[in-house]
Amino acid sequence: DGGITQSPKYLFRKEGQNVTLSCEQNLNHDAMYWYRQDPGQGLRLIYYSQIVNDFQKGDIAEGYSVSREKKESFPLTVTSAQKNPTAFYLCASSIGSGKETQYFGPGTRLLVL
Amino acid sequence: GNSVTQMEGPVTLSEEAFLTINCTYTATGYPSLFWYVQYPGEGLQLLLKATKADDKGSNKGFEATYRKETTSFHLEKGSVQVSDSAVYFCALSNSGGYQKVTFGTGTKLQVIP
Repeated sequence: DGGITQSPKYLFRKEGQNVTLSCEQNLNHDAMYWYRQDPGQGLRLIYYSQIVNDFQKGDIAEGYSVSREKKESFPLTVTSAQKNPTAFYLCASSIGSGKETQYFGPGTRLLVL
Repeated sequence: GNSVTQMEGPVTLSEEAFLTINCTYTATGYPSLFWYVQYPGEGLQLLLKATKADDKGSNKGFEATYRKETTSFHLEKGSVQVSDSAVYFCALSNSGGYQKVTFGTGTKLQVIP
């Protein structure tokens, strides 16, 4: 079955630590996205990538970094510079630019110890 | 810029009641409009969409009509079930290069037996 997988489901970060959230898709989609979801705030875009080896900052990129070395993979690193990382992180993909539907993974909940 | 406003929740209904969740938007041009649904602890999944004025999207008994004159895309269902309990997000997407999706803050629906 085609889809998007995210791992881990839960992730704990210690003070000053960088952590990486995994996102893999087998839908052959060109575009991939990372969103942050906080209670009552909807989704906010962190980074997006339209093609391999290219990515752009979204609305709240500070304290985060990404890479897009393969079409299938778009990992997100939450760095120690992100002072309030506790949130639900959602990865999504779509066929490409335009008005297509975005397909979401199951999410990773990041908690700070 | 683009924005989406949806009614605040939570909305609590008895099973078989009629559902309306209001959504209005601000956007330039002719955006596509979407309703996504998020079940507890999961990612978002597309419920329905409409790509031009007067289009009606429908799925699983839910409907929404793209009303350009009132800039609205209200979600309706004639008879809700307990299994419809979830958070519903209204969203819009404009074309032109990168497909930026603007999400509303979500409306939580609770259906009680």
